[in-house]
Amino acid sequence: DAGVTQSPTHLIKTRGQQVTLRCSPKSGHDTVSWYQQALGQGPQFIFQYYEEEERQRGNFPDRFSGHQFPNYSSELNVNALLLGDSALYLCASSIGQLNTEAFFGQGTRLTVV
Amino acid sequence: GNSVTQMEGPVTLSEEAFLTINCTYTATGYPSLFWYVQYPGEGLQLLLKATKADDKGSNKGFEATYRKETTSFHLEKGSVQVSDSAVYFCALSDNAGNMLTFGGGTRLMVKP
Repeated sequence: DAGVTQSPTHLIKTRGQQVTLRCSPKSGHDTVSWYQQALGQGPQFIFQYYEEEERQRGNFPDRFSGHQFPNYSSELNVNALLLGDSALYLCASSIGQLNTEAFFGQGTRLTVV
Repeated sequence: GNSVTQMEGPVTLSEEAFLTINCTYTATGYPSLFWYVQYPGEGLQLLLKATKADDKGSNKGFEATYRKETTSFHLEKGSVQVSDSAVYFCALSDNAGNMLTFGGGTRLMVKP
């Protein structure tokens, strides 16, 4: 059983560019959450998708947007990249709207230069 | 809003020593509490959880008890191993379970 898979694993972008990160949830999971983890810090919640809609959003600007597809996979898009967007981006999947265990992927390391 | 505070690291211990990593939280309602572990180059793995007051979560020799009166969820292990070296994150989820709020993480280094 494949767990949560994220692509790419590493990415280098130039300030001002746009980036798309991808996540496939664990089999049987229908809810996807995205987190940003800056170096040496704990993950920060960006947003969560369920039934192809954004259900909750953290304190992140509109430059951060997302999408969930009918097969439950998800994308995170970041526009107008800033140096401060450099971080590990983690995807987590879970089941439904209940407080069930979230499974995390290995993350995408984004470096903005 | 919700917040989690955990002791800063690094925590350096010798093999077979006793481990405590302190975690306190601020939240409205009755959150669920978690400990996650992150090994180098990997994502987060759930270590243990507790969903209501006085519950004790346990896994792989690690334990933590949900203390509502002190708003704490301290992580303990009686005898650490070199393989326990990692970063440990305390976290809570809101009543709807929609988002996790994490502490800043505590790096544990265990020396042989």
